[in-house]
Amino acid sequence: KAGVTQTPRYLIKTRGQQVTLSCSPISGHRSVSWYQQTPGQGLQFLFEYFSETQRNKGNFPGRFSGRQFSNSRSEMNVSTLELGDSALYLCASSPRNPAETQYFGPGTRLLVL
Amino acid sequence: AQSVAQPEDQVNVAEGNPLTVKCTYSVSGNPYLFWYVQYPNRGLQFLLKYITGDNLVKGSYGFEAEFNKSQTSFHLKKPSALVSDSALYFCAVRDGSNYQLIWGAGTKLIIKP
Repeated sequence: KAGVTQTPRYLIKTRGQQVTLSCSPISGHRSVSWYQQTPGQGLQFLFEYFSETQRNKGNFPGRFSGRQFSNSRSEMNVSTLELGDSALYLCASSPRNPAETQYFGPGTRLLVL
Repeated sequence: AQSVAQPEDQVNVAEGNPLTVKCTYSVSGNPYLFWYVQYPNRGLQFLLKYITGDNLVKGSYGFEAEFNKSQTSFHLKKPSALVSDSALYFCAVRDGSNYQLIWGAGTKLIIKP
């Protein structure tokens, strides 16, 4: 099976812009989780989608949003980018929920200037 | 509240020596515990998990972890370290009935030749 893919791999944006990141889960996986990884804060949970519904949400401002499509592909959007949004954004998929084994994509590295 | 702690930011081990990466947790109910590894510029990879049963869990790449209920610990171990084991290791615990994982801050493992 193909692994989790994330596009783009690298992105440079300026403050105030918005960005959309994409994640394609492993075929058959219906749960997709998003994480933000920074050197100072470690791995922070953003949200989890299952069957096109947001099932759980982390403690991030409303500028961070996401969605899941009927084929389980997911996107996350960050509006009005801030310098502090610079991070590695990781997507992970699992068959039904994150408490099963999660399979991570390589991440999208976002740099906000 | 559920929590997980990795008390060491970094662990240095000589190649061929045994290694231990520590993890302690606090949960209500029975814990689901996980170890993931992140190699440079990569997403996280699943190593092993404990849900129930044998306290010694064997995982990928020769790693194992010991679940100790009385000490609320789930330390990751390997009998003989390889330089290629150098990476960032994350411990995680399931957040009760909420399927989400609570992540430790990560421990950087450096294996010196």
